Amino acid sequence: DTGVSQNPRHKITKRGQNVTFRCDPISEHNRLYWYRQTLGQGPEFLTYFQNEAQLEKSRLLSDRFSAERPKGSFSTLEIQRTEQGDSAMYLCASSLVIGTKETQYFGPGTRLLVL
Amino acid sequence: AQSVAQPEDQVNVAEGNPLTVKCTYSVSGNPYLFWYVQYPNRGLQFLLKYITGDNLVKGSYGFEAEFNKSQTSFHLKKPSALVSDSALYFCAVRDMNNNAGNMLTFGGGTRLMVKP
Repeated sequence: DTGVSQNPRHKITKRGQNVTFRCDPISEHNRLYWYRQTLGQGPEFLTYFQNEAQLEKSRLLSDRFSAERPKGSFSTLEIQRTEQGDSAMYLCASSLVIGTKETQYFGPGTRLLVL
Repeated sequence: AQSVAQPEDQVNVAEGNPLTVKCTYSVSGNPYLFWYVQYPNRGLQFLLKYITGDNLVKGSYGFEAEFNKSQTSFHLKKPSALVSDSALYFCAVRDMNNNAGNMLTFGGGTRLMVKP
């Protein structure tokens, strides 16, 4: 399978704990995006990387959220001191940008439940 | 700012009948428009996109969408619906002039129910 993969697929945690999610993009894709999707809503943009550089992070929901893509390949999204309101599906997408043309391909998501 | 509206929470159609899922958008510049489909407990699957060119765009699984600049719409269509088309459909827009990282802005989604 050469699509975007995300791990874990499901995470249950207690309020106040830290969680980390991993995304492996499609090989050779230079952009990687993180989105959050709450029940009954469309995905909401959080942040994105061009290779290893994080070019937009103002949409991260709070300073408890952080993301890395250290070698320009896989990425991690960390949520510190989780709150019940963080319960959602976290989606990763990757793309290969050629000029101005780009299509984002999404992974299956990580569903987070904060108790 | 860019935004997308999907005015119908749910669309019901009988198998074999044509279907339309509506989408309108707002951007300050020229739009890139996308349709994605989401099956239960799955990520979003790309269906089709409009960048420039023909207003009628053909995509996966027999779906097509018509870009209408004057009405700022990008409705998804299929001539003959299948029960297996039942899923959640999302329209998304990106402003070609958006400097905020090519982020996609999604609509709230429309649930398509195709009944046998």
